[in-house]
Order: sequence, then C-alpha cells, then structure tokens
Amino acid sequence: GQNIDQPTEMTATEGAIVQINCTYQTSGFNGLFWYQQHAGEAPTFLSYNVLDGLEEKGRFSSFLSRSKGYSYLLLKELQMKDSASYLCASMDSNYQLIWGAGTKLIIKP
Amino acid sequence: ETGVTQTPRHLVMGMTNKKSLKCEQHLGHNAMYWYKQSAKKPLELMFVYSLEERVENNSVPSRFSPECPNSSHLFLHLHTLQPEDSALYLCASSQDGSSGANVLTFGAGSRLTVL
Repeated sequence: GQNIDQPTEMTATEGAIVQINCTYQTSGFNGLFWYQQHAGEAPTFLSYNVLDGLEEKGRFSSFLSRSKGYSYLLLKELQMKDSASYLCASMDSNYQLIWGAGTKLIIKP
Repeated sequence: ETGVTQTPRHLVMGMTNKKSLKCEQHLGHNAMYWYKQSAKKPLELMFVYSLEERVENNSVPSRFSPECPNSSHLFLHLHTLQPEDSALYLCASSQDGSSGANVLTFGAGSRLTVL
C-alpha cells in the first residue's frame, strides 16, 4: 500500500535547529513535497525533492533518500513564526499526492 | 493572499440545508482541486479538474457535487450533509494536473460545521 508517516507534534526552542522526519511507501515514486500551514491559513509550498540529497533554501533545507523511503525538513535558527504544521506528501506514478497527517511544530522562547 | 480565494471562510449549516463553497484562482492555472482536511488526518483529495474536465473523483458521497464552469472558478455544492462532514475544505490550483514538481497553491479554506 501507499503510506506516509511523520510525527504528530514536536517542540523546539527559538534559535535552535529542528529536524522533521517523514517516511514513505509509494509506488512509482515521483518526488517528495513539504508544505507549511499556519493555523487558519493556506498550506504553502516549501520544497520538492526528486533526487537524493540535500536542498537548501535559506533557513530551511530538505533531504531525500529514495532507497530508504525517507525525507526530512531541517529548520535552522528557529523563529516564533515557524510555529506551524508541516505537511509531507509523496507523489506516485500517476502524479497523485499521498499526504501525511502533518507535524505540528511548537516553538518556545 | 495566495492567488486562490475561497468563500465563505466559515459556514454553519443544518443537515437539510443546501449551500455552496466557491473558489477562484487568479494564477492562470489549468488544474483545480478540492481537498477535505480533518484534524490530525491527512489531506483527502475529493475532486480534480483539469482544463475544466473532471479527472478525479475519489469515491466522494453524492451529497458533495463539484462544478467547474471555467478554469478560474470551482464550486462545491453541498446538500443533506452529515455531522462527520464538518471539516476544513481546501481549494487548490496548479499549472497542470499531471507532471512532477506539480506545486499546489492553496486557498485559506472554508471551515464547515454541520449541525
């Protein structure tokens, strides 16, 4: 079957680093997406990985290992505004997205 | 503003009511989507339209009826809903519906409560 797993909730401290993991089982894998969703707002696109490795975009980086069915989102120099839910989604051979339930990230001062 | 606008933002309705959710995108995208988001659950894809043709209907109950009159507008017509249909309904659009790196742009959602 097709499945996405990510932690339900994580807590981190302002200024620190946090890594949000996502594991997937997807037939005909076509890439892995990360979205950010603040409470009451639209999910917004953060990253897309289809090849193995790390992609960096400012304070946010996303990593993919296709052989392990594993991705993570790394957030550095955490700010209070990073408190949000982070949604992981894999794309299958039909270009359909399989979504995780999201990780709620709580940032404490 | 993301370029995808949903109205109303909040809706309370009884089980016998008929209401509609509206979505409009100003991005020139060719594909539009309806998703259901319930607390602590993955996003559930309901319907996909590509170039105004419905290409996906994920076994959604007939009490939900989509309409796509043109590539910029998408409606979700609701009738005789059940309390378990209470959720956040998200509209999204993308450049097309069948390619890799198919980035979705979401609206802020319509929060539906069924009494």
